[in-house]
This record gives sequence, structure tokens and C-alpha cells, in this order.
Amino acid sequence: QVQLQESGPGLVKPSQTLSLTCTVSGGSMSSGSDYWSWIRQPAGKGLEWIGRIYTSGYTNYNPSLKSRVTISVDTSKNQFSLSLSSVTAADTAVYYCARATLVRGVISYWYFDLWGRGTLVTVSS
Amino acid sequence: DIQMTQSPSSLSASVGDRVTITCRASQSISSHLNWYQQKPGKAPKVLIYAASNLQSGVPSRFSGSGSGTDFTLTISSLQPEDFATYYCQQSHSAPLTFGGGTKVESK
Repeated sequence: QVQLQESGPGLVKPSQTLSLTCTVSGGSMSSGSDYWSWIRQPAGKGLEWIGRIYTSGYTNYNPSLKSRVTISVDTSKNQFSLSLSSVTAADTAVYYCARATLVRGVISYWYFDLWGRGTLVTVSS
Repeated sequence: DIQMTQSPSSLSASVGDRVTITCRASQSISSHLNWYQQKPGKAPKVLIYAASNLQSGVPSRFSGSGSGTDFTLTISSLQPEDFATYYCQQSHSAPLTFGGGTKVESK
């Protein structure tokens, strides 16, 4: 079955760039109408959507992070990546990658049906 | 941005209890509302999508209802494995947003 796995440094210095990659295994990223997202969760807090990318390369970002975020995709490697610049301690969180699947009908619906295990990124000097 | 407000933020219940969690959107989202369960140290897991559709493999004691701005997640008979935090999420429009969560604890 399809699985997602986040990878990247667990510690990033303030003002530097956080870079994470999500590897999709057990299936092709390009096989459906899915989109791929990054979501984060500070310790003890709720979930924050960072942004999404379609395999076409089209992206949407959370306006609260838009000036610092880039999400990219490499379908040949079955991976998508997150880059978050100028990080501060407020960016310390568990970062999840997730797949949103499409339910087609008279009205189409999306929901996150597949998540990675998450990776803790700490911003500290 | 569409704000999602969940209530209560926490509740205490016993095994066998009927549990209801509500989620309100700041504007109409039709039925573009999903519910997730998260246990400590784990990724969220979808329970309900499109407001009332049970995800495959999820026990039938979970149900969802609502449309427009007001939604409900109901657990008909709480089981020991249901103690967790529950989140609603709107998929109507970007930026996608989550409710603040409801922690279901043992009484």
C-alpha cells in the first residue's frame, strides 16, 4: 500500500532554511487526481496547513507562511519537498506530509486519507 | 480564511457514553468538512469525510452530520480506544483550516 515518509534535519538554526522531503512509496504520485500537502503541529497544539502541490506543479500556500514557503515536486523520484526560510523558534513543530484524495460526484470532495508519521523539527542555535 | 471553531475543547467521558463534538465554520462550506482522530505521537487519521461519509475501516459508532456552517461528530458508544483528540477540517477553499481540537479524556 502507499506510504509516506518525511525526511530531513531535525535541528535547524534560527534564520536558516528548513528543508524536508516526503517520499511516496508503494505507488506513483502521478496515478490519480490527488494533491500533496505539508501540515505542521507545534507541541501540544493544533494542526496548521502549510500548503499543497499537484503533480502538475500547481501550488497553494497558507498566506500566513506564503512569503517563506516553497513546495516542489519531483515525480520521477516520487517525492515532494518543503522549504521554509528564515525560521524562528515559532517554526518548531512536528511536520507531516499528507495526501489528499478526491471523491468524485455531483460535488467533489477532498480529504487527507494518507499521512506520514511526522518528523520533529526544532529551531534552535 | 475560513475559521473553524470546535467545542468543547475537552471533555471527560466514560466507556459506553455517547459523545458529541461540534464544529462551526465562519462561512458556509457546504459539506466540505472532514473529521480526524489523533492519538499521542501519531499522525491524524480520517474518520469522516464530506461531513457524513464514514471512511472505510472506521467503526460504525462514529458518525458525522451537518452542512453549511454547523457540523457534528458523534461517537455512539465510547470505547477505550476512542480516547484521543479530534479535529475538524474544511476542504472548501484554501487555505485549508482545522478546528482547534477536542480532547476526549476518561472520566
